[in-house]
Amino acid sequence: EVQLVQSGAEVKKPGESLKISCKGSGYSFTSYWIGWVRQMPGKGLEWMGIIYPGDSDTRYSPSFQGQVTISADKSISTAYLQWSSLKASDTAMYYCAKIAAAGGMDVWGQGTTVTVSS
Amino acid sequence: SYELTQPPSVSVSPGQTARITCSGDALPKKYAYWYQQKSGQAPVLVIYEDSKRPSGIPERFSGSSSGTMATLTISGAQVEDEADYYCYSTDSSGNYVFGTGTKVTVL
Repeated sequence: EVQLVQSGAEVKKPGESLKISCKGSGYSFTSYWIGWVRQMPGKGLEWMGIIYPGDSDTRYSPSFQGQVTISADKSISTAYLQWSSLKASDTAMYYCAKIAAAGGMDVWGQGTTVTVSS
Repeated sequence: SYELTQPPSVSVSPGQTARITCSGDALPKKYAYWYQQKSGQAPVLVIYEDSKRPSGIPERFSGSSSGTMATLTISGAQVEDEADYYCYSTDSSGNYVFGTGTKVTVL
């Protein structure tokens, strides 16, 4: 079974750093792009960026460029999303998703809730 | 920045047809994808490359695209189809973007 399993919920203070993970299994992790999507409370989906684990080619949405870092460790089939200094406005659900050859996000992780509050 | 515009809400009676539109300037040259998101759950891909249905998605879901508008049609809507629906595509620079989202109510 193809699946993506994300790390657990996080509660952080403003200014702290954070790295959340997304582990793939059941398919060739290095052969498909992985995307990250933000969903703020009660709001819609926002495309943050994508990474190709095979060579770590990474592309960011202009809205998120410089705000987050997307990375991957292909040796353990895991992609990451990290912040160096969290803000309250980073409070959201974050999803990773595998991007199919046809371009759509066909398999999604269960989501990681990030809460940033003083 | 590029935008994909959807109606905020669509209401339909069970068994009737729901149509959700997605408007974007690049759609004549770029594929549209559609996701269903039920409350508290991760999104699910229901249509890819304008009109193709992934395995496991009911036949009542179909997609089409013409000019600057893509359309998701739910023929014979069921109560379990009540969800938020998002279109998804790329702009001319290759940046992906989600539509504004449509809440579908079946009652």
